[in-house]
Amino acid sequence: DAKTTQPPSMDCAEGRAANLPCNHSTISGNEYVYWYRQIHSQGPQYIIHGLKNNETNEMASLIITEDRKSSTLILPHATLRDTAVYYCIVRGNNQGGKLIFGQGTELSVKP
Amino acid sequence: GAVVSQHPSWVICKSGTSVKIECRSLDFQATTMFWYRQFPKQSLMLMATSNEGSKATYEQGVEKDKFLINHASLTLSTLTVTSAHPEDSSFYICSARRTSGQGYFSTGELFFGEGSRLTVL
Repeated sequence: DAKTTQPPSMDCAEGRAANLPCNHSTISGNEYVYWYRQIHSQGPQYIIHGLKNNETNEMASLIITEDRKSSTLILPHATLRDTAVYYCIVRGNNQGGKLIFGQGTELSVKP
Repeated sequence: GAVVSQHPSWVICKSGTSVKIECRSLDFQATTMFWYRQFPKQSLMLMATSNEGSKATYEQGVEKDKFLINHASLTLSTLTVTSAHPEDSSFYICSARRTSGQGYFSTGELFFGEGSRLTVL
C-alpha cells in the first residue's frame, strides 16, 4: 500500500511557485521521500529525494518537516511544461528498489 | 543521465496472440528491473520485480503464467503478455535500478522507460 497522501489536483499560475504537499505520517526512520512526475503518456521522471534534510536540485526543492511526517515539493517558477501528475513516495533502501505509487497530485499550470 | 528504453512504444494485436515488450538500460547495468501497468486515469501498479539470472517476483494478484518475464542479461528484461485479451490493454512501463557501485544515490537510482501502450482488439 502507498504510504502517502496527496491532494488529487492543484492549479498554479505560470511563473509562480508550485507547492505540492505530501503527508507520510507513518514514515519510518530509514525511509526516504522520493518525488517523481509523469507527463501524460510518458514514463515517470525522477525529480528529487531526501531523508530528513531539505534538498534542492536544478528541478525543485524538497522541504521535509522536522518530524518527517510531511513534505513539500517546490517548483520555484512553474512553466506550462510542468503540467503533470506528481507522485510522492516513501521507500527504504532495504526494499529492493521498488516504488509503490499512490494516486499523486495532478498539477495544472495555467497561463 | 541514465536512459531506459522500451520497445515497442505501442502495439496493437489480436485477441489470443502474445506480445513481447523489451526494456533495456542503455548506459548502465541493471540487476533489477520492475514492470508496471497503468490504466487510463489511474496510477502505476507494480506487477513484478525482474532479477537478472533468476525468476521474477510477482506482486499479489498478478498471474505469472500470463505475464512472462525474462531478465537474461544486465541490460535487458522482457515482458511477454501471453494470450492477450482486450482487458490486457494498458500502458506497460518498466524501470531499472542501477547496480550498486555506480554512484546511484545521487540520482535516486530508479529510471523509467517511456512506456509501451498495448491495445488488444
